[in-house]
Amino acid sequence: EAQVTQNPRYLITVTGKKLTVTCSQNMNHEYMSWYRQDPGLGLRQIYYSMNVEVTDKGDVPEGYKVSRKEKRNFPLILESPSPNQTSLYFCASSLRSTTYSYEQYFGPGTRLTVT
Amino acid sequence: GNSVTQMEGPVTLSEEAFLTINCTYTATGYPSLFWYVQYPGEGLQLLLKATKADDKGSNKGFEATYRKETTSFHLEKGSVQVSDSAVYFCALSSGGSYIPTFGRGTSLIVHP
Repeated sequence: EAQVTQNPRYLITVTGKKLTVTCSQNMNHEYMSWYRQDPGLGLRQIYYSMNVEVTDKGDVPEGYKVSRKEKRNFPLILESPSPNQTSLYFCASSLRSTTYSYEQYFGPGTRLTVT
Repeated sequence: GNSVTQMEGPVTLSEEAFLTINCTYTATGYPSLFWYVQYPGEGLQLLLKATKADDKGSNKGFEATYRKETTSFHLEKGSVQVSDSAVYFCALSSGGSYIPTFGRGTSLIVHP
């Protein structure tokens, strides 16, 4: 089954304790990205990757890191989480389209709470 | 830059009512337009899309027409069901950009 998986689905942590949220896709997509979803603000892109070893900042990259060492995986790293990073996080992937219609496939989400 | 504006929610309807969720956009070039749906506790999934002017996307009884002259992509359904209760996001991608632009989402609540 074609899918994007994220782990963990729920995480409660404390300020300053490094964490990693994993993301994996089995569709051989070149493009992957991370979003955060907050009430009243919709979806905001954190980082994206166009292919292996190619990453770039989205709209809200501060406090986050990513890496793309393999095509299928795109982990999100919070080196020193803070309470303002409490949010719902989504990973997404996409296959290029000749009509630039980059339909995205989303993971189920990770609910992160930083206390 | 690109932007997407959606009507504020929540939209509350009775079952079998007609639904319209407005979406307007600004974009460089000729964008592709999308509607995504997020059911409670789930990630977003593509509902429908249109890649050029006057195209109509449709799926599960939902429709939206790409109107270049009014820069709009309004979502419509003739008869909503309780199972349509979800958050709906309008989005666009433009000129080969890998940074898609999403609206803020519109919550739809359908009562029996």
